[in-house]
Formats: sequence, structure tokens, C-alpha cells
Amino acid sequence: AQSVSQHNHHVILSEAASLELGCNYSYGGTVNLFWYVQYPGQHLQLLLKYFSGDPLVKGIKGFEAEFIKSKFSFNLRKPSVQWSDTAEYFCASDTGGFKTIFGAGTRLFVKA
Amino acid sequence: DTGVSQDPRHKITKRGQNVTFRCDPISEHNRLYWYRQTLGQGPEFLTYFQNEAQLEKSRLLSDRFSAERPKGSFSTLEIQRTEQGDSAMYLCASSTWLAEDYEQYFGPGTRLTVT
Repeated sequence: AQSVSQHNHHVILSEAASLELGCNYSYGGTVNLFWYVQYPGQHLQLLLKYFSGDPLVKGIKGFEAEFIKSKFSFNLRKPSVQWSDTAEYFCASDTGGFKTIFGAGTRLFVKA
Repeated sequence: DTGVSQDPRHKITKRGQNVTFRCDPISEHNRLYWYRQTLGQGPEFLTYFQNEAQLEKSRLLSDRFSAERPKGSFSTLEIQRTEQGDSAMYLCASSTWLAEDYEQYFGPGTRLTVT
């Protein structure tokens, strides 16, 4: 069965620190991969997505993610976090456009 | 605001009562999705519609749950004979769909508390 695992449930960083959030998916076939973010009091919104092509995907607000097929991974990165990046981050995958499977989420707190 | 809207935002009900939630998607979106999210977890897929057709239902969606999208626009999710385990955030999302590119837009959710 398709599944998504996020390595860290809580991450605390100081401003300007680099961020990497781990994500692994289980499906062996073609997958589409997503990172969503939920800022406090706001809706889930898409940060970035990967369907095909360049495995290094750039998203909004300086985030990027790298698809590594051999490792079934799609880790999220940002070179320098800001206090405003405090949020919950969800990795997700699907295999055809409807049944999206989400990870449990990582709560990021950035200290000012 | 032309995003996805959900109503009500909060619902408190007693065990055994029926509840109905409404989702209004972005107007040009033909796909509509329902998810359930409990504390500490990511959203869990429940069902989805393409236009008015319900094309997939999760096994999480027991026979107490039913969803409709009668005219391919708004959708309703009904839970009959609610149980305390139904307490969760119910999220709706919508999208257009191209095989090679799509994005789900989420609503604010309906928080259900069953007492």
C-alpha cells in the first residue's frame, strides 16, 4: 500500500539556520510528489510539486525539494529559515491524481 | 474571496446525531476531494468526485458516511449516527486536472466535535 513517512515530527531552528525535512514514500511505480504547508490559522497550501523532469524542484518562499528515486525520497530544503516559516509541513504523494496520501506532518518552529 | 469555502467551520454534536457539511469548490474546478484530519496526523483521503461522479471512496468511509455532489458544483458530506471517533477536522479540496500537472486547493475545514 502507498504510504508517506516524515522523519521528524517537531523541528526547532534559529533564524538563518538551514532546513531539511525528510520525506520517504513507499510506492514503487510512478508517483507525483508534493509538499504542503499550513501556517498558523491558515489553510493548507501547496509549496511545491514534482511530476516529472528535473528532480530538483523549486517552490515558493525559497523552498526546494529533491526527488531521489533510488532512495524513494523527496526532502524539503531551505538554506536560511525565517521566523515566518514557522508552520506545519506535510509531504504527500499520489499515483494518478486523486488519492493523495499525506505524511503525518512536521511542525517547524523558528526562533527569532 | 474565490477560494474553497466550507460550512460550518465548527460543529458540536451529540453522539448518535446526524451532521452534514458543505463544501463550495473553486468554480472552474471539476475535481473535489474530502479528507479527514485528526490531531497529530496528516489529512486522510476519504473520497473524490469528478464533476458529479463519485469515483473513489476510501475504506475509511464507513456506511455511516455519504457524500454527494449533485450538480458537479458544491458537495455535501453527511455522517449519520455520529460516534466520538468521528471527531476530527474535515477538509475539502478542489482542483482542475491534467495528468501532468494539477494542484489541490484546500478549504479551511469543518471541525467536528462529538460529545
